Amino acid sequence: NAGVMQNPRHLVRRRGQEARLRCSPMKGHSHVYWYRQLPEEGLKFMVYLQKENIIDESGMPKERFSAEFPKEGPSILRIQQVVRGDSAAYFCASSPGGQDTEAFFGQGTRLTVV
Amino acid sequence: GNSVTQMEGPVTLSEEAFLTINCTYTATGYPSLFWYVQYPGEGLQLLLKATKADDKGSNKGFEATYRKETTSFHLEKGSVQVSDSAVYFCALGDDKIIFGKGTRLHILP
Repeated sequence: NAGVMQNPRHLVRRRGQEARLRCSPMKGHSHVYWYRQLPEEGLKFMVYLQKENIIDESGMPKERFSAEFPKEGPSILRIQQVVRGDSAAYFCASSPGGQDTEAFFGQGTRLTVV
Repeated sequence: GNSVTQMEGPVTLSEEAFLTINCTYTATGYPSLFWYVQYPGEGLQLLLKATKADDKGSNKGFEATYRKETTSFHLEKGSVQVSDSAVYFCALGDDKIIFGKGTRLHILP
């Protein structure tokens, strides 16, 4: 049973380009979370999705960032027109849902904007 | 809204010392509480959890008790090892999972 798979593990983009980060949840999990971690800082919640629905996007910047979790395929976090300040580690987590269930994390995608 | 506050690091201890990392929470309901650990270059792994008041979660010698009266979930270990060096995150789960800022732990041989 594969864990949460994120790709790519490392992504380098020039300022102004687009970054696409992919997350395949664990089998049977219909809930996906995205978090951002800046160097030496904690995890900042970005967005919570269920299949085809955004449940909570209160942590997402209002511009340039979007997320989706289609019926088929991985969840995608998309950052348009990247800036240096977007450089961070982006972690995806999945859960089967329900208050008592923990989230399982992927290894993260480390985005570097040059 | 819900929030988690944990002690700031870094925390540096000698091997075999006693460890406590404080965590308190604010929640409107009755969330589940978690401790996650992050080793260098990796994602987070669940260390232990508790789903209701007075529950004790335990794993790998670590323990934490869900204290509703003090809204706390402090992490403890009786004798730490060098391999415990990592960043520890306290978290609560309601409709989404909210994390504290993390506490970096250094264990010296």
